[in-house]
Amino acid sequence: AQSVTQLDSHVSVSEGTPVLLRCNYSSSYSPSLFWYVQHPNKGLQLLLKYTSAATLVKGINGFEAEFKKSETSFHLTKPSAHMSDAAEYFCVVSDPATNKLIFGTGTLLAVQP
Amino acid sequence: GAVVSQHPSRVICKSGTSVKIECRSLDFQATTMFWYRQFPKQSLMLMATSNEGSKATYEQGVEKDKFLINHASLTLSTLTVTSAHPEDSSFYICSASPGLAGLSSYNEQFFGPGTRLTVL
Repeated sequence: AQSVTQLDSHVSVSEGTPVLLRCNYSSSYSPSLFWYVQHPNKGLQLLLKYTSAATLVKGINGFEAEFKKSETSFHLTKPSAHMSDAAEYFCVVSDPATNKLIFGTGTLLAVQP
Repeated sequence: GAVVSQHPSRVICKSGTSVKIECRSLDFQATTMFWYRQFPKQSLMLMATSNEGSKATYEQGVEKDKFLINHASLTLSTLTVTSAHPEDSSFYICSASPGLAGLSSYNEQFFGPGTRLTVL
């Protein structure tokens, strides 16, 4: 069975400092992994995805994530946080048999001025 | 490309009435559409998966007679919440995929902006 665990429900950083949002996955297959962002009362926006190509994945808005099979991790990082990055972030794994997405519980990122 | 719209964006209804939410893929044919529900400060929970022209497959615990899903065309799926109650108040999000659920290949899902349902 596929699952993802987001290790932090809330993360607070200062503007201009690095962002690290942690995600660990469990998968019987070679997984497809995603990070989505959701701003308040908005739909989901895909930040980046890993589908068994390069292990370091670059996404939009300066975000990137590294797939580490040995650690079963897919942490999201950004070198310098902006105020506009404040949102909810979801780590997601895809079940290849059904094409269903399994969502993590989310990490709320707060960016302090 | 790959734009998905939902209508309405917000709806308020009285308890006992039915509400229909539309999900449209604007620039691609969506063989498969998914409906999710998100309660405040919680993650997205998959409600059902529908393939065009077939009956929807509901997740465990989701009442198929209460949440009617129709996927009659490759660009439109509807979710009807029948006899709505206040506990049905939630954020409903659809996604659309050009692939057919059940195949082993990966097919990306594209999400709509969501519909906020409030049942009084």
